[in-house]
Amino acid sequence: EPEVTQTPSHQVTQMGQEVILRCVPISNHLYFYWYRQILGQKVEFLVSFYNNEISEKSEIFDDQFSVERPDGSNFTLKIRSTKLEDSAMYFCASSGSLAGGKYEQYFGPGTRLTVT
Amino acid sequence: LAKTTQPISMDSYEGQEVNITCSHNNIATNDYITWYQQFPSQGPRFIIQGYKTKVTNEVASLFIPADRKSSTLSLPRVSLSDTAVYYCLVVSLQGGATNKLIFGTGTLLAVQP
Repeated sequence: EPEVTQTPSHQVTQMGQEVILRCVPISNHLYFYWYRQILGQKVEFLVSFYNNEISEKSEIFDDQFSVERPDGSNFTLKIRSTKLEDSAMYFCASSGSLAGGKYEQYFGPGTRLTVT
Repeated sequence: LAKTTQPISMDSYEGQEVNITCSHNNIATNDYITWYQQFPSQGPRFIIQGYKTKVTNEVASLFIPADRKSSTLSLPRVSLSDTAVYYCLVVSLQGGATNKLIFGTGTLLAVQP
């Protein structure tokens, strides 16, 4: 079964440093997402991406965040200057066409980001 | 998107059927009801989706009454490995736009031996 992969599984960084979280979505999917989950809290939407541009972003996704699809397979989330409150599990997800009446987002295993 | 309300937690024993009910009073005509499962330190995983009446797959059944203001996820004969958080979500499938998922706090199902 195809799956979304994410690297690294765990990233430790110092406050103020830049981090790039990487994702490889399922190959024929067109829609890509980033979510985050702070420990013990609910999963929060960050951004959606389609046709090489951001479709929608949440209030969390401020100027410190950016996304990119640098080639045909990778999808990245960059945090320019990390803060302590950015510590969370970051999930990448992808989905295919809405046709067929079934809508499913496939989530990756996540990257645990720890900012010290 | 319609807000969803579901119990914070439920307890069950192995072999029992578990029913988790979710209310979504403001569901719109173009909205579907979707359930995801999440194990600790893992990404959410799609379980089932429905629009009305009953949907069944190899994992679960989803019951949706005619007014669609609530839905019930039914897990037959749960095992310890079904211990997880279960999320009820309402998703609009209108148009071709991307559809963010809005997660609530979910229902923590604890299955005991």
